Amino acid sequence: DAGVTQSPTHLIKTRGQQVTLRCSPISGHKSVSWYQQVLGQGPQFIFQYYEKEERGRGNFPDRFSARQFPNYSSELNVNALLLGDSALYLCASSPAPFSGGSQRELFFGEGSRLTVL
Amino acid sequence: SQQGEEDPQALSIQEGENATMNCSYKTSINNLQWYRQNSGRGLVHLILIRSNEREKHSGRLRVTLDTSKKSSSLLITASRAADTASYFCATGRNSGNTPLVFGKGTRLSVIA
Repeated sequence: DAGVTQSPTHLIKTRGQQVTLRCSPISGHKSVSWYQQVLGQGPQFIFQYYEKEERGRGNFPDRFSARQFPNYSSELNVNALLLGDSALYLCASSPAPFSGGSQRELFFGEGSRLTVL
Repeated sequence: SQQGEEDPQALSIQEGENATMNCSYKTSINNLQWYRQNSGRGLVHLILIRSNEREKHSGRLRVTLDTSKKSSSLLITASRAADTASYFCATGRNSGNTPLVFGKGTRLSVIA
């Protein structure tokens, strides 16, 4: 069975541009979470979506937005890119709405490496 | 913000030795998980320990949890070069839709 797939794997943008990152969850998983990982740091929570609805949002500016489609795939959009947005963007899926207290693991994709010049 | 703090930040050992990584966190938790990440790739779940558990084993992994000290440790026994990776603890809380919160990680290098 395919795991979580993300695209593109690498991309380079310039300041002020916009980027869209895509994620397909594991088959049967209905929840998708997005994390940002800056070099040398741990992943930071950005969004969680379940059944096309936003279930949680981290401390990120409104330049970050996301959505989930009927097939449970998801897109993360970042507008007006800043140098500080350079990071590995990780998508994770879970079968049901994920909360820290749900005692379930997250299944991660390999990430999209974004470099902003 | 990051809930957990791993210690040490980096660890270098010889193949066959044991590796111990520690995680401290700040608030009460429902469960604590450990994940592994090979150089810039995705995270892989290793083990989950619930707040009412004190120790858990999985293969060469042993995790302990001390909720009174708000700390956890991950022990990898008889380490192998393939264990070289970053290891992250992640904490889960009971309240609402709080996400899994990751620490900054320990970079483990196992030298053959």
